[in-house]
Amino acid sequence: AQTVTQSQPEMSVQEAETVTLSCTYDTSESDYYLFWYKQPPSRQMILVIRQEAYKQQNATENRFSVNFQKAAKSFSLKISDSQLGDAAMYFCASADGAQKLVFGQGTRLTINP
Amino acid sequence: SQTIHQWPATLVQPVGSPLSLECTVEGTSNPNLYWYRQAAGRGLQLLFYSVGIGQISSEVPQNLSASRPQDRQFILSSKKLLLSDSGFYLCAWSIRRGMVETQYFGPGTRLLVL
Repeated sequence: AQTVTQSQPEMSVQEAETVTLSCTYDTSESDYYLFWYKQPPSRQMILVIRQEAYKQQNATENRFSVNFQKAAKSFSLKISDSQLGDAAMYFCASADGAQKLVFGQGTRLTINP
Repeated sequence: SQTIHQWPATLVQPVGSPLSLECTVEGTSNPNLYWYRQAAGRGLQLLFYSVGIGQISSEVPQNLSASRPQDRQFILSSKKLLLSDSGFYLCAWSIRRGMVETQYFGPGTRLLVL
């Protein structure tokens, strides 16, 4: 069974600075995928970034990038030039070949102006 | 473009009453559909998923059931609600882009059982 662990219940960062959210996972699958979702106060889950486990290159989407360490089963999210609109709950998730998402418990990110 | 709708947005129901939450997807055909529940301050738990009309897989034993009467319609139901059914219910659909099947979520339904 897959498990996903986010060890930081809360994080805060000054506006315009960089913050990294941690995530570790465990899976016995060789083919899997990793995701970061953002949940703002509206509570709708919004896809931030995704990573295929077979790809060595880290995924990047504008100000969002990941540090994927396959051997360590680590998948951290880096947010550069933090903006007030980045404030939200961030969830790390993994999916195996059956495409069932398993979520971590989330990290609440606060942006300080 | 694809859109996903859920209704109602908010629901307050007494214990023992029935439940029906609806999810519809537009702009795609034969999507995989999912129901998740999120308890306050927690992550999401997968409840049901469906790969086609009438095909439902249950992930956890519970007081709820799901049905897929049409290709782009997914319904979450209960005959008698329990207090523990309170939570935020999210529907999602998935699409394969390249090798990755990505799930996209609806706006959710807040359910409070009193």
